[in-house]
Amino acid sequence: NAGVTQTPKFQVLKTGQSMTLQCAQDMNHNSMYWYRQDPGMGLRLIYYSASEGTTDKGEVPNGYNVSRLNKREFSLRLESAAPSQTSVYFCASRFSPGTNTEAFFGQGTRLTVV
Amino acid sequence: ELKVEQNPLFLSMQEGKNYTIYCNYSTTSDRLYWYRQDPGKSLESLFVLLSNGAVKQEGRLMASLDTKARLSTLHITAAVHDLSATYFCAVDKMYSGGGADGLTFGKGTHLIIQP
Repeated sequence: NAGVTQTPKFQVLKTGQSMTLQCAQDMNHNSMYWYRQDPGMGLRLIYYSASEGTTDKGEVPNGYNVSRLNKREFSLRLESAAPSQTSVYFCASRFSPGTNTEAFFGQGTRLTVV
Repeated sequence: ELKVEQNPLFLSMQEGKNYTIYCNYSTTSDRLYWYRQDPGKSLESLFVLLSNGAVKQEGRLMASLDTKARLSTLHITAAVHDLSATYFCAVDKMYSGGGADGLTFGKGTHLIIQP
């Protein structure tokens, strides 16, 4: 039982490059989330998908796009990376907000933009 | 906009002592979560608090929720070194239809427990 799997674990990008962070969960969860974690800032929500086929902006969506490919997979794309996007990115999932369950987190992707 | 504030943000304490971490939030919610994060690791769920007056305990940690005061506490009893970590509280922003979007996190409390 892998839970929430993120790839890659580490990445270095040059300013202006693009990349996609992948996330997959095997817990049959409906809702999936992308957060970024910066020192002293806690976790901030970038985008979420309450269910397959829907996506919505979170607190800090600028510079990012997402795709809910199917129930299992939720990807985050940086079209033109900027140094301000250097961060640790976490994907999370849960059954759905209405079922009062906690979110489960992947291991994180440490992204550096130079 | 839902705001979640934790205090203290940094805490250094000795083994064997007791202490409490506080989590205040700004809008109505009756769903609060506590997570633990070790350095360089992911977040691990500790407690799920779903109603006013809820109290959960696991080992030396006890969490409670007062929805009227919009306050949750995480109490550490007789601290041991293994509890050194960063602790986050997170709150669901509720909507009238009972739905919610993503969790809103506090900035975390970095806890160091020294021998």
